[in-house]
Amino acid sequence: DAGVIQSPRHEVTEMGQEVTLRCKPISGHDYLFWYRQTMMRGLELLIYFNNNVPIDDSGMPEDRFSAKMPNASFSTLKIQPSEPRDSAVYFCASSFRRTGGHGYTFGSGTRLTVV
Amino acid sequence: AQRVTQPEKLLSVFKGAPVELKCNYSYSGSPELFWYVQYSRQRLQLLLRHISRESIKGFTADLNKGETSFHLKKPFAQEEDSAMYYCALSGGTSYGKLTFGQGTILTVHP
Repeated sequence: DAGVIQSPRHEVTEMGQEVTLRCKPISGHDYLFWYRQTMMRGLELLIYFNNNVPIDDSGMPEDRFSAKMPNASFSTLKIQPSEPRDSAVYFCASSFRRTGGHGYTFGSGTRLTVV
Repeated sequence: AQRVTQPEKLLSVFKGAPVELKCNYSYSGSPELFWYVQYSRQRLQLLLRHISRESIKGFTADLNKGETSFHLKKPFAQEEDSAMYYCALSGGTSYGKLTFGQGTILTVHP
């Protein structure tokens, strides 16, 4: 298995543009998580899914952020419109059942820069 | 509510010196605690879990429920240990979800 795959690795966009980040979890994993990493706030959980269903989106900063998981092998995180303060590294992670941190596998992240 | 606190944002030591990265947590039940490491511009990876009571790359961490702490220790730091370290907690109704601390950047000088 190639692990959790995120794309793109880097994204530079202008303020006001729509940004879509993509994640392919490990096959067979039933939990998927989106985290945002910044120097100021560290790692923040944005949203997570179980069996493709959003369970907790309380970490999503505002309505500009949305996430979907149309099937077990794909998820997207969309920001529309993007703002400079959204600049961060966005990580996707997946895990199996209730193994929590034992089974967490992180992707390489997408470094987003909004200018 | 569950919370993880890493009081030190930055920690610098010299090679061969002991190192301790502090982690305190707030949780009413029986949590699972973890340490994750992120080397420069790489993905986060699991370093160790309190359940397994193992030593990875010379690091150990003991869960102290009385002090609600899970400090990460290594007796002799190496330059390759320089990285960002995150303490994380899982438990309760949010089982499966990890709450991370703010992270500590460890720099080991030659």
